[in-house]
Amino acid sequence: DAGVIQSPRHEVTEMGQEVTLRCKLISGHNSLFWYRQTMMRGLELLIYFNNNVPIDDSGMPEDRFSAKMPNASFSTLKIQPSEPRDSAVYFCASSAWDRNTEAFFGQGTRLTVV
Amino acid sequence: AQSVAQPEDQVNVAEGNPLTVKCTYSVSGNPYLFWYVQYPNRGLQFLLKYITGDNLVKGSYGFEAEFNKSQTSFHLKKPSALVSDSALYFCAVTIYNQGGKLIFGQGTELSVKP
Repeated sequence: DAGVIQSPRHEVTEMGQEVTLRCKLISGHNSLFWYRQTMMRGLELLIYFNNNVPIDDSGMPEDRFSAKMPNASFSTLKIQPSEPRDSAVYFCASSAWDRNTEAFFGQGTRLTVV
Repeated sequence: AQSVAQPEDQVNVAEGNPLTVKCTYSVSGNPYLFWYVQYPNRGLQFLLKYITGDNLVKGSYGFEAEFNKSQTSFHLKKPSALVSDSALYFCAVTIYNQGGKLIFGQGTELSVKP
């Protein structure tokens, strides 16, 4: 398996534009997590899904952020409209928690909003 | 609520010397504990985990960690540090009914000098 795949790796956009980050889970995994990493706040959990169902979205900073899992192997994180303070590295991770596996992380998307 | 503390922002070690990266946690219930490593511009890589059983767990690249329930600690150790161990290390905790949701510490930068 190629691991968790995120796209794009880098995204530069102007304030006010819509941004969509994508994540492909490892085959057979049923839990999906979106994290954001910044120097100031470290690693923050934004939202996580079990079996395609959002379980906890309390970490989503504002209504401008939304996440979906249209199927068992794919997820998107959308920011609309984007703001400079959204600039960060966004990671997704997947696991098979019911089998006590650890979370595997993608390489991340570095988002810069100018 | 779960939380993780890594009391040292940075640890400096000479190559060949033993290293310790500290982690303490707070949970309601039995903790599942993890260590991850992050190299520059990369995602997080799993090192080791404690779920149950032997308090001393061994992981990748010669690392090990000891679960100490009375001190609520899970310190990462290696008998002999390598320059290539220099990276950012994260401790994380979850509990069984959280669906694998990991809460991370703020990270410790390990620097190993020749």
